[in-house]
Amino acid sequence: GAVVSQHPSWVICKSGTSVKIECRSLDFQATTMFWYRQFPKQSLMLMATSNEGSKATYEQGVEKDKFLINHASLTLSTLTVTSAHPEDSSFYICSASGTGGPREQYFGPGTRLTVT
Amino acid sequence: DAKTTQPPSMDCAEGRAANLPCNHSTISGNEYVYWYRQIHSQGPQYIIHGLKNNETNEMASLIITEDRKSSTLILPHATLRDTAVYYCIVRVDGSNYQLIWGAGTKLIIKP
Repeated sequence: GAVVSQHPSWVICKSGTSVKIECRSLDFQATTMFWYRQFPKQSLMLMATSNEGSKATYEQGVEKDKFLINHASLTLSTLTVTSAHPEDSSFYICSASGTGGPREQYFGPGTRLTVT
Repeated sequence: DAKTTQPPSMDCAEGRAANLPCNHSTISGNEYVYWYRQIHSQGPQYIIHGLKNNETNEMASLIITEDRKSSTLILPHATLRDTAVYYCIVRVDGSNYQLIWGAGTKLIIKP
């Protein structure tokens, strides 16, 4: 089946620093990748949708200058949390889907970010 | 995309069939029913999807009513590892369409 990886699986950083999270589709080309955030005991909240080679489309209320998304290739998208604050601590999950591969979205294992 | 309604939680005995209901009374003709699950602290896992016919794969069966206003996900022989939150989502088919996540059903499999 389709495999999506994320790196790192967890990260702890200090307030004010930036953190980059990678999302890779390992065995298919992902024309579209989605980034989600999930707080404890809550459902997934879509942050942005990115298509390869295009600027990401952000959901209402998500600051595009704070959460930088790059989808430069068909197998890699990155989310950079800039000037992180403790309230950015969350579980970040990416998903990927592709026209040449699965039509369903396949999800990465998630990245646990803790900002101290 | 249409909204879905699921019970917040369910219990099932290990080895028995787990039947998870989902109501989607405002579903449109071109919207599919998707099921995902999320085990604690992991990314969601795709289970199955269907349009109007019943579907079966190695993980589960999906039963969709004739009027398509509700569906049931069936895990035929539940194991402890099936304990997770199960999400029923309806959306137009296509890789670029976002999934809108509700609260899901927390399924607890008991020994």
